[in-house]
Amino acid sequence: GQQVMQIPQYQHVQEGEDFTTYCNSSTTLSNIQWYKQRPGGHPVFLIQLVKSGEVKKQKRLTFQFGEAKKNSSLHITATQTTDVGTYFCAGCSVTSGTYKYIFGTGTRLKVLA
Amino acid sequence: NAGVTQTPKFQVLKTGQSMTLQCAQDMNHNSMYWYRQDPGMGLRLIYYSASEGTTDKGEVPNGYNVSRLNKREFSLRLESAAPSQTSVYFCASSEYSGGAEQYFGPGTRLTVT
Repeated sequence: GQQVMQIPQYQHVQEGEDFTTYCNSSTTLSNIQWYKQRPGGHPVFLIQLVKSGEVKKQKRLTFQFGEAKKNSSLHITATQTTDVGTYFCAGCSVTSGTYKYIFGTGTRLKVLA
Repeated sequence: NAGVTQTPKFQVLKTGQSMTLQCAQDMNHNSMYWYRQDPGMGLRLIYYSASEGTTDKGEVPNGYNVSRLNKREFSLRLESAAPSQTSVYFCASSEYSGGAEQYFGPGTRLTVT
């Protein structure tokens, strides 16, 4: 079945350093979504990428979707303590007209002040 | 708007007991989902309902049943709880399946002893 791998599993950075998490799917995706989950909280939607090679920015966050629509990345520039949490990608695939999302295992980010 | 609400917030069950987790959304969304989250495993889809009147299995449906009671409500039932079902359960909803932002509830922390 479809698998979505996400690396790294953990990342500790000093405040001000950059951070990147990568997501790889075993199958071509229809679209990919990114979510952030603060400790003790629930996942919150960040963005959706649909087109091959798409790049989207939200302030210090840059999201990319690969040309083959099988991989994606989230890059945070100059991390802040408010960026702490776990970042998940969720890949959408279509089978017989049915859409299903498979979540990656997440990257837990700790930011040291 | 409350968004997505889940009850209960916490529950402890003994092996073999049954229970139903309740989920409701007030955003008039068509699609609803049940996920479980275990440490290091990310979010895994248990069941989903693309629209009122339909339900379908996700990645890990064994040991669970669901009911889409109406457009607002989607319940998850454990008929005979097992320790392997100890997890945090999240309900989510989206306007439609396959490309809409998912809104998550606050979660239910379930322990099976």
